[in-house]
Amino acid sequence: AQRVTQPEKLLSVFKGAPVELKCNYSYSGSPELFWYVQYSRQRLQLLLRHISRESIKGFTADLNKGETSFHLKKPFAQEEDSAMYYCALTSTGSNYKLTFGKGTLLTVNP
Amino acid sequence: KAGVTQTPRYLIKTRGQQVTLSCSPISGHRSVSWYQQTPGQGLQFLFEYFSETQRNKGNFPGRFSGRQFSNSRSEMNVSTLELGDSALYLCASSLALTGEQYFGPGTRLTVT
Repeated sequence: AQRVTQPEKLLSVFKGAPVELKCNYSYSGSPELFWYVQYSRQRLQLLLRHISRESIKGFTADLNKGETSFHLKKPFAQEEDSAMYYCALTSTGSNYKLTFGKGTLLTVNP
Repeated sequence: KAGVTQTPRYLIKTRGQQVTLSCSPISGHRSVSWYQQTPGQGLQFLFEYFSETQRNKGNFPGRFSGRQFSNSRSEMNVSTLELGDSALYLCASSLALTGEQYFGPGTRLTVT
């Protein structure tokens, strides 16, 4: 079974500070990991996925298979980054079923 | 391209009734997934359809069912509603076999 854990329900940082949202997963095969974001009063949307290895809005995430983690990082947080962030996992073994973590609410204070 | 649309956006039902929610995917997308979102449980996967076939199913009782039509539009039905079914129901579409999904705005269901 695949499982995604986001240990922090809430994370609060000041503008300009670095931010790291933690994500750990449990899956024995080869997973694909994603970060989704939901800004206030907007729909859930894809932020980035590990296979593309890109930086979106200054965020990056590296898949660490040894630690089974996929933490989301940004060196300098902005107020507009305040949102709910979900880590998600899928795989060929699960027939591409997408499993979400419970989310972390990030608040960036001015 | 128009995004994923869901109707209705809000719904109030009483216990014991049934409800049908509708989802129109992005044009060309053949996969539609449904999720239940609640403050306590977060996003929980209900089921996924691809080319009119249910491909994946989550751990929900049989009261929750769905279907997909030949134009990829999908409906989900909940029978014998319970108070605990109150939630935001999200629909997402994707092009094919991928975790990259595009979400609709959701249908807020309140069961009284």
